[in-house]
Amino acid sequence: GAVVSQHPSRVICKSGTSVKIECRSLDFQATTMFWYRQFPKQSLMLMATSNEGSKATYEQGVEKDKFLINHASLTLSTLTVTSAHPEDSSFYICVGGGANNSPLHFGNGTRLTVT
Amino acid sequence: AQSVAQPEDQVNVAEGNPLTVKCTYSVSGNPYLFWYVQYPNRGLQFLLKYITGDNLVKGSYGFEAEFNKSQTSFHLKKPSALVSDSALYFCAVRDPTDSWGKLQFGAGTQVVVTP
Repeated sequence: GAVVSQHPSRVICKSGTSVKIECRSLDFQATTMFWYRQFPKQSLMLMATSNEGSKATYEQGVEKDKFLINHASLTLSTLTVTSAHPEDSSFYICVGGGANNSPLHFGNGTRLTVT
Repeated sequence: AQSVAQPEDQVNVAEGNPLTVKCTYSVSGNPYLFWYVQYPNRGLQFLLKYITGDNLVKGSYGFEAEFNKSQTSFHLKKPSALVSDSALYFCAVRDPTDSWGKLQFGAGTQVVVTP
């Protein structure tokens, strides 16, 4: 069935480096990919919405130059955290969907720890 | 604008007793409503959804939820809680008139089931 495969599941990096998170849609075409961030014991906050082939739309307060989103194909979307800092440590989740309010499919999340 | 509220940060219940996790919503049209569960360091798992039809929705692991339009609520229930139901529960709303269909999550409710 339709699945979003998210990798890596965990990553530890040093402050100042960049980290790329990949989400691949399997058995469906992810026209839209939502990127969420979750801090410990908090809710999921939408960071940005990307549509295949166009620029992502970022939520207020999210730095687009820091969180680079690429959605070059219907099966792959990536989030790159550039120049990561300890405060970027969080759980990042991608959620893929097709057109017209079709069902959403969740990635399993990436636990990012910046030291 | 759409929003969803979970008024309880935590719900404590003894094993075998009924479990209720509250959720109220605000959306301009007819909402799509969802419940998800999250175990520690894991992604979100889908429990159930209301799109249209019968107000009582049955989902995974014995959970059910009742859509109440007049009270704008969608409370999650389970007749007899298990210790393994201890987790973080999220209510979410999706506005079907939103072209991208993004999910808005509630703050989450921690459920603790004691033996």
